[in-house]
Amino acid sequence: GQNIDQPTEMTATEGAIVQINCTYQTSGFNGLFWYQQHAGEAPTFLSYNVLDGLEEKGRFSSFLSRSKGYSYLLLKELQMKDSASYLCAASDSNYQLIWGAGTKLIIKP
Amino acid sequence: IAGITQAPTSQILAAGRRMTLRCTQDMRHNAMYWYRQDLGLGLRLIHYSNTAGTTGKGEVPDGYSVSRANTDDFPLTLASAVPSQTSVYFCASSPGTGGYEQYFGPGTRLTVT
Repeated sequence: GQNIDQPTEMTATEGAIVQINCTYQTSGFNGLFWYQQHAGEAPTFLSYNVLDGLEEKGRFSSFLSRSKGYSYLLLKELQMKDSASYLCAASDSNYQLIWGAGTKLIIKP
Repeated sequence: IAGITQAPTSQILAAGRRMTLRCTQDMRHNAMYWYRQDLGLGLRLIHYSNTAGTTGKGEVPDGYSVSRANTDDFPLTLASAVPSQTSVYFCASSPGTGGYEQYFGPGTRLTVT
């Protein structure tokens, strides 16, 4: 079957660094997406990885290892506004997204 | 209109009633999607359309139908609502399939009593 696993909740301190992990199993693979979703709002796109390695975009970076079925999202210099859920989604052989349940990130002052 | 809109924002519906959730995008995107989001579960795909005139079933299509008469609109119909269809419904669009980010509407919160 197809499955995405990510931690349910994480807590971090303002100004620190946090890494959110995601493992995936899909029938075929056409890339890995990360989205941010604030409470009561729609998901918004953060990053897309299709090749192995690290993609950096400002304070956010995303890593992919296709051989391990593994990705992580790295958030640096955490700000209170980063408190949100972070959704991992893998694109399968039909280019449909299989979504994880999301990781709720709590930032403490 | 800027981006993707959904209507209504929220709705309380009696079981057995018919309901259509509306979704409109002005980005001329080819692909459109309907998801439901329930607490503790990931977004689940209900139906999708890769281009105007075509539709396909997602992971949880039972009890729902869609149409795609033109590029901009992608309504979702619940023929006879049941309490298990209580959820937040998101419409999304993307320029195409394969490697494109999806843009989400603000969502419709539906409660079936």
